[in-house]
Amino acid sequence: AQKITQTQPGMFVQEKEAVTLDCTYDTSDQSYGLFWYKQPSSGEMIFLIYQGSYDEQNATEGRYSLNFQKARKSANLVISASQLGDSAMYFCAIFPPSGTYKYIFGTGTRLKVLA
Amino acid sequence: GAGVSQSPSNKVTEKGKDVELRCDPISGHTALYWYRQRLGQGLEFLIYFQGNSAPDKSGLPSDRFSAERTGESVSTLTIQRTQQEDSAVYLCASSTRTSEVHNEQFFGPGTRLTVL
Repeated sequence: AQKITQTQPGMFVQEKEAVTLDCTYDTSDQSYGLFWYKQPSSGEMIFLIYQGSYDEQNATEGRYSLNFQKARKSANLVISASQLGDSAMYFCAIFPPSGTYKYIFGTGTRLKVLA
Repeated sequence: GAGVSQSPSNKVTEKGKDVELRCDPISGHTALYWYRQRLGQGLEFLIYFQGNSAPDKSGLPSDRFSAERTGESVSTLTIQRTQQEDSAVYLCASSTRTSEVHNEQFFGPGTRLTVL
C-alpha cells in the first residue's frame, strides 16, 4: 500500500533563507505523481508543485522546487528566499495512476518563517 | 472561472442531529473527493466520485456517513446522528485527468463542523 511520511512536525526558518521540507513515500507502482500542498491558517489547501515519477528533471515553480530522488523514494520540497507568508502547514501527497484513484497525504510539516 | 465552493462554511449542531454538507466543484471536473481534517491533523480520505459514481467508499468512517453526487456536479455529504468525534473540517476537492498521474486537486474552503 502507498504511504507518505513527513518526519518534521515543525520547522523554523529565517526570512530570506531557504528551507527543505522532507517527504518520503512507499509505493510499488512504477508510475505515480507526487504533490505538495500548502495550508495557511485560513484553512484552504493550495496546490504548489507536482513531480511525476518518470520526470527526469526536478520540478520547479517559482520559489518552490522539488528535490526528487526516485531510488531513495524521497520528494523533498525546497522553498527559496522564504517569506513571512510562507508560514503554513505543508502536505506531501502521492497519487497512484490506477486502482483506487485515492490520494495519500502525509501528516504535514508546520513551517514558521521568522522575521 | 469559479473555484470549488462549499457550504455552509461553519455548522454547529447538537449531538444526534443530522447534517448535510455541500460541495460545488469546478465546472467540468469529473472527479470529486471528500476529506476530513481533525484539528492539527492531516487529511483523512472519505470518499471519491468519478462522475456520479463512487468507486471507492472505503474511507467512510461508519454507516452514519453517506454521500451522493448528481449531474456530475454538486455533491452532498450527509452525517446522520452526529457525534462529538465528527467535529472536524470537511474538505472537498475536484480534479480532472483522473486517468493520468498528473492530476492535481483543487480544494474548497472547507466546512467546519462542531458537534456539541
